[in-house]
Amino acid sequence: QVQLQESGPGLVKPSQTLSLLCTVSGTPMKSTLHSWSWIRQFPGKGLEFIGYIYYSGSTVYNPSLKSRAAISMDFPKQRVSLKLRSVSAADTAVYYCARLYTSSHYSNSGSFSRFEYWGRGTLVTVSS
Amino acid sequence: QSLLMQPPSMSAAPGQTVILSCSGNTSNIDKNYVSWYQQLPGTAPRLLIFDNNNRPSGIPDRFSGSKSGASATLVITGLQIGDEADYYCGTWDNSLTTVVFGAGTKLTVL
Repeated sequence: QVQLQESGPGLVKPSQTLSLLCTVSGTPMKSTLHSWSWIRQFPGKGLEFIGYIYYSGSTVYNPSLKSRAAISMDFPKQRVSLKLRSVSAADTAVYYCARLYTSSHYSNSGSFSRFEYWGRGTLVTVSS
Repeated sequence: QSLLMQPPSMSAAPGQTVILSCSGNTSNIDKNYVSWYQQLPGTAPRLLIFDNNNRPSGIPDRFSGSKSGASATLVITGLQIGDEADYYCGTWDNSLTTVVFGAGTKLTVL
């Protein structure tokens, strides 16, 4: 079955770069019907979309992150990575990776239909 | 403040029906598909409904979704104790060019 597993440091200092990995199993990453995304959940429980990457390498990011985020893929290793630069305490959250379903049918909707599968999430705290 | 408005909390007794609402605008729900997610305590969100009213395999037909204009609803019938969770709606926003979520509704099954 499809499984996603996030990993990375649980503590990052302010102004540094947060780096996370998502290991994907049970599904090929090279698919025209799926993108690979990152979502975070703040301590107050609100969800925020960070961005996604399509198998072609094209990316979409939440403009509110002001270009601090970068998502990349490693097909042979079946991994998706997230880098978030210049973090502050406001970036403290549980970070989830998720498989996003897409197709040309949703081309007028940001190529977004739904987040089908989620990892368990990893808590990242930004603190000195 | 979330762009999609959801009531912060709702409660109902086992066996009853509950209707959760998600209100947006002409840039998001009115133009795009809505999905719903259930988050049980201590777990990751799980997809409940996609494309307004479709259930993934494995989701009971007690859960149903609909959309009318800029609003969407999730209906849960035959409430069970195990349905106690946070429920989030999500969709694409054409103006913000991002996926947006509601702040979630905490459902208590009394």
